Amino acid sequence: GAVVSQHPSRVICKSGTSVKIECRSLDFQATTMFWYRQFPKQSLMLMATSNEGSKATYEQGVEKDKFLINHASLTLSTLTVTSAHPEDSSFYICSAVQESGLSTDTQYFGPGTRLTVL
Amino acid sequence: DAKTTQPTSMDCAEGRAANLPCNHSTISGNEYVYWYRQIHSQGPQYIIHGLKNNETNEMASLIITEDRKSSTLILPHATLRDTAVYYCIVRFPVMDSSYKLIFGSGTRLLVRP
Repeated sequence: GAVVSQHPSRVICKSGTSVKIECRSLDFQATTMFWYRQFPKQSLMLMATSNEGSKATYEQGVEKDKFLINHASLTLSTLTVTSAHPEDSSFYICSAVQESGLSTDTQYFGPGTRLTVL
Repeated sequence: DAKTTQPTSMDCAEGRAANLPCNHSTISGNEYVYWYRQIHSQGPQYIIHGLKNNETNEMASLIITEDRKSSTLILPHATLRDTAVYYCIVRFPVMDSSYKLIFGSGTRLLVRP
């Protein structure tokens, strides 16, 4: 099956610093990638849709200036958490759509990145 | 967008079939039903999807009722490694061939030894 990787798997940073998380589709090209956030004991919450070569589309309530998304190639999307605060501590998960031109294109998820802001 | 309703938790014995129900009574004609699962501290894993016909793959079977208002995911011989949160999701069409998935609370399945 399709493989999606994330780097780093864990990161600890100080409050006020910025953190970049990478999401890569390893064996397929992905025009569309998604970023989710998951707090303990909660479900995944969609943050934004990342489209290669264009601006990301953010869900309501997600600050686009705080969560910068760049999708510069068909295999890489990055999420930068700027001026991180302790409340940004969470499990960040990306996914990529393996597109075949059919309506049933499947979304595959990365392993997640656990961010802890001190 | 159609919403789904799943039991909060279920359990089954190892080696037995696990049947996970999902209600999606407001699903529209062109929306697919997708199932994912998430093992603790990992990203969700794709299991199966379907439109109106029953589907089977190496992981599971998906039974969709004729009126499409509900479905059941079947793990034929559950193992301890199948313990996870299972999400039933109706595809939310956005544009062209791209789509986004809206996750509900899911069902926490515990497989007992």
